[in-house]
Amino acid sequence: DAGITQSPRHKVTETGTPVTLRCHQTENHRYMYWYRQDPGHGLRLIHYSYGVKDTDKGEVSDGYSVSRSKTEDFLLTLESATSSQTSVYFCAISPGQGANQPQHFGDGTRLSIL
Amino acid sequence: GENVGLHLPTLSVQEGDNSIINCAYSNSASDYFIWYKQESGKGPQFIIDIRSNMDKRQGQRVTVLLNKTVKHLSLQIAATQPGDSAVYFCAESSLYNTDKLIFGTGTRLQVFP
Repeated sequence: DAGITQSPRHKVTETGTPVTLRCHQTENHRYMYWYRQDPGHGLRLIHYSYGVKDTDKGEVSDGYSVSRSKTEDFLLTLESATSSQTSVYFCAISPGQGANQPQHFGDGTRLSIL
Repeated sequence: GENVGLHLPTLSVQEGDNSIINCAYSNSASDYFIWYKQESGKGPQFIIDIRSNMDKRQGQRVTVLLNKTVKHLSLQIAATQPGDSAVYFCAESSLYNTDKLIFGTGTRLQVFP
C-alpha cells in the first residue's frame, strides 16, 4: 500500500461544530487530494493541492477548506459541519509532474454529523 | 466504504469464470484511464491503467480494453476468484486537465463458489 494515513478513521460529531481531517503521506508526492464518497455518486473531488501552500477547489468545495503547510500533510476542515457533510472522506496522492499518473488512496474517514 | 455499493449495478460470476466489467465515458479529450478496485471499508486500490495511444494492456490476470471510437473501456478478469469480489471503478483524465480524475459510479462484482 502507498504510505497514506488518514486520521481519524471514524468520527461522530454534532451539527455546527468544526471538524478537521488529516492526511499524512510518506511518499513525498507533490499532489494530494480530498474526495468524498456517497451512495449513488462516484468519488467527488473537494479540494486538491499541487504543492506546499498551493491548493485549488474541486467540484464540491463549498463548506470545506484545506491547508498544506508541509509536503506530507494535507488537512481538510469543515468550519461548521452540516448533516449533508456526512460521508466517507478519502485522501489520495499522486506524483503529478504533468504526466498522467494514477492516484493512490488512503483507507478513508467515516464522518457522521448528527 | 460499506455504503458505496447500495445502488450499484452488480455482476455475478462463478469462481473460475472470466469477468468483464464495462465503463462508458463521454469526453473526447479523455486520454488516460484507470481501473480501481474497492473492498468494503477500504480505499480504492489501483489495478491497471491505459493511455489513449493504446487499445489493450495486460496485467496479472487483468486486461483493459479501450475503444475510443465508441468511448468504451472494459476490464477483463481471468479465472475470477472470491478475493476479486469488490466494487470496481473506472476513472479518466483529459489532455487539458491531467492532474484531475473523473470517476464512474462503479460496478459490484460478486463471485460465487
